[in-house]
Amino acid sequence: AAGVIQSPRHLIKEKRETATLKCYPIPRHDTVYWYQQGPGQDPQFLISFYEKMQSDKGSIPDRFSAQQFSDYHSELNMSSLELGDSALYFCASSARDFPLLINEQFFGPGTRLTVL
Amino acid sequence: LAKTTQPISMDSYEGQEVNITCSHNNIATNDYITWYQQFPSQGPRFIIQGYKTKVTNEVASLFIPADRKSSTLSLPRVSLSDTAVYYCLVGPSGAGSYQLTFGKGTKLSVIP
Repeated sequence: AAGVIQSPRHLIKEKRETATLKCYPIPRHDTVYWYQQGPGQDPQFLISFYEKMQSDKGSIPDRFSAQQFSDYHSELNMSSLELGDSALYFCASSARDFPLLINEQFFGPGTRLTVL
Repeated sequence: LAKTTQPISMDSYEGQEVNITCSHNNIATNDYITWYQQFPSQGPRFIIQGYKTKVTNEVASLFIPADRKSSTLSLPRVSLSDTAVYYCLVGPSGAGSYQLTFGKGTKLSVIP
């Protein structure tokens, strides 16, 4: 079965540089979520999109922005990178109107961002 | 959102049944209880979800008492591959999907 695809899988950047992470949800899933997981930390929700509109916003820094495109893929843009941005970034997708499993989200393999 | 409390870590031998209890005293009427599993450097994976009483699937069972202030995830006959972090999440139901709020999970170590 098709899964969530994230690219790149690994990314190394210098401080103050920019980075773009991409997420391709499972086909026919209309909701995309972004999570950040720092070293030894638990996943933290950043932002989500439903039908290309932002639906929820969590602890996403102002330096970060995201959008969902017409083909439902999503991109997380990160600017002025800081050392503390080094983390695993997960994208997850779900079908919003799936009637039974309200809280089932399907996670991608993640992008490991290292800021030097 | 209801706060959840779980043990930080647990050890178990292979073949044993493992029960991980989660406390959620402030659970709301429309909240569901969901458990996710996460292996190192991988995204979390949905295990099971329930509202009350008992739910069982091919992977685990979830026991929820009548007051719903706690829940217990039961993993039958664990193997080394069950070594992971297990998260208990409590969140609203309703049409639509919601952000997942991860608290401190339980790191399960299965010993040969």
